Amino acid sequence: GQNIDQPTEMTATEGAIVQINCTYQTSGFNGLFWYQQHAGEAPTFLSYNVLDGLEEKGRFSSFLSRSKGYSYLLLKELQMKDSASYLCAVCPITGGGNKLTFGTGTQLKVEL
Amino acid sequence: IAGITQAPTSQILAAGRRMTLRCTQDMRHNAMYWYRQDLGLGLRLIHYSNTAGTTGKGEVPDGYSVSRANTDDFPLTLASAVPSQTSVYFCASSAYLGGPDTQYFGPGTRLTVL
Repeated sequence: GQNIDQPTEMTATEGAIVQINCTYQTSGFNGLFWYQQHAGEAPTFLSYNVLDGLEEKGRFSSFLSRSKGYSYLLLKELQMKDSASYLCAVCPITGGGNKLTFGTGTQLKVEL
Repeated sequence: IAGITQAPTSQILAAGRRMTLRCTQDMRHNAMYWYRQDLGLGLRLIHYSNTAGTTGKGEVPDGYSVSRANTDDFPLTLASAVPSQTSVYFCASSAYLGGPDTQYFGPGTRLTVL
């Protein structure tokens, strides 16, 4: 099975940098996704990592270490609109290789 | 292009009633998924379909059934609703060419079972 851990809540200041960590244990690994979910809305895709290292996409970057079962999402130049829940999801190899197991999400609050 | 649509947006249902949540996508995606999202538990997969005509069970399938008669539609049925099925239900789809790929989510259905 899969076990995914993320902090429940984080608070950061507008303009700052925040790092949201995700650790996982999975029997067979086929990639890790990060999604953003604003309150009352659907999750939207942010990033995908399957190899070790950093993937950068504008203000958002995601890092993966497969040997450590660890990922983080880095948000730079924080804006008020970044206040949302950030979901880490692991894709195991089993069962077709496309199903995701989600963590419970990290609620990020951006303050002035 | 609408992407993924779900209906209804919200519903209050008496326990014991039958309910079908509708999901339609216009992206010609092969795979479709149903999740429920509960506070403190995150998104949990109920059922999925990797291609029209096939379905599979996810993490929490009990009390739910699905069908995939064509590529676009993936309805979720609660045969006899119970209060523990009160949740927000999200439908998602992905291209699925044999490996992991980005899932795109519908707007969700908020279901309350009394």
